[in-house]
Amino acid sequence: SAVISQKPSRDICQRGTSLTIQCQVDSQVTMMFWYRQQPGQSLTLIATANQGSEATYESGFVIDKFPISRPNLTFSTLTVSNMSPEDSSIYLCSVGPAGGSDTQYFGPGTRLTVL
Amino acid sequence: GQQLNQSPQSMFIQEGEDVSMNCTSSSIFNTWLWYKQDPGEGPVLLIALYKAGELTSNGRLTAQFGITRKDSFLNISASIPSDVGIYFCAGLNAGNNRKLIWGLGTSLAVNP
Repeated sequence: SAVISQKPSRDICQRGTSLTIQCQVDSQVTMMFWYRQQPGQSLTLIATANQGSEATYESGFVIDKFPISRPNLTFSTLTVSNMSPEDSSIYLCSVGPAGGSDTQYFGPGTRLTVL
Repeated sequence: GQQLNQSPQSMFIQEGEDVSMNCTSSSIFNTWLWYKQDPGEGPVLLIALYKAGELTSNGRLTAQFGITRKDSFLNISASIPSDVGIYFCAGLNAGNNRKLIWGLGTSLAVNP
């Protein structure tokens, strides 16, 4: 398996500001993913981040709103830009395949509240 | 986007009872994954299934990969209070840029 940490674990932000979330993995992984999970909902994929290339965004998500960096094989950041209360959610990063198996492991998440 | 049909949506059981939940899909998958998510935490992988018909156990948990590759179930035997949480199934196809397709979750409550 892979051990994944995220920073911050939670934050309360003002409308119109931006927050950058960091994701660190304890081993090199090819693919990293960023998800959003709204209260009581399942997970929604925002984008796939591969090292050395532009992130691939899912329908409904754009780079200007959710810029992503992937500078190396163990680290990625997601920025939530120009936030509004509708961005209040849990943001999760995941990695995979990892640990020699075709699966995905998740970080603990970042709980974001926008006032 | 595409989602899996996961049922039941919620369950409230007595401690010691067995639990069963399942997921179905209109398309086939190469991999089925089952996760548990506690409040305020990220999903934790419980069981991964890689082969049609595969039956895999992890302690009191047992999961099976349906032979049609379009369904999977998860059983929990002799439930305990710490089994409380939300259980998600997810399907994975290597050819789909490894994007997981998710069920909507099964919320489990256990009465001690």
